[in-house]
Amino acid sequence: NAGVTQTPKFRILKIGQSMTLQCTQDMNHNYMYWYRQDPGMGLKLIYYSVGAGITDKGEVPNGYNVSRSTTEDFPLRLELAAPSQTSVYFCASTHRDTNSGNTIYFGEGSWLTVV
Amino acid sequence: GNSVTQMEGPVTLSEEAFLTINCTYTATGYPSLFWYVQYPGEGLQLLLKATKADDKGSNKGFEATYRKETTSFHLEKGSVQVSDSAVYFCALEDFNKFYFGSGTKLNVKP
Repeated sequence: NAGVTQTPKFRILKIGQSMTLQCTQDMNHNYMYWYRQDPGMGLKLIYYSVGAGITDKGEVPNGYNVSRSTTEDFPLRLELAAPSQTSVYFCASTHRDTNSGNTIYFGEGSWLTVV
Repeated sequence: GNSVTQMEGPVTLSEEAFLTINCTYTATGYPSLFWYVQYPGEGLQLLLKATKADDKGSNKGFEATYRKETTSFHLEKGSVQVSDSAVYFCALEDFNKFYFGSGTKLNVKP
């Protein structure tokens, strides 16, 4: 069972370049999220989606864009990379369990460095 | 708004010592509460959860009780092992949005 899969795992970008972090989940979850984790810090929500075709901003959306054309995929795009976007990015998904509350499942992370 | 505050680390313990990591929260509704663990180079994994007041979550010897009166969800383990060394995150979920604390690094020495 693959769960949440992110690619690439590591990437170095130059300032001003663009890239897309890919995320896919095979659990048929409606809700998907992108978080960033800066060194020694907690997770900050970038964008989230409650279903295909629906996305919304989180706490730190500036400099990022997302799309959700299918239930499985939730790519995150950086349009003009800046050093402040150096971070570890986590994709996550969840379902609604009416008996025991939601549980969020994470991918393994994507380490991004902007130089 | 919603937020989670947890004790700063790192916490360094000897093997078999008792562990407490404090977590308090503020929430506008009736959230579910979670503890997640992150091992080096990996994503976060669910450790335990509680969905309503007075519930106790438990897993792998770790426990936490949802205390609504003190808005707390402290993580405890009676006897830690070297393999418990990791970063622990307290989190709350409210209407499918998750809020995480800043994480507490635990180092367990043999």
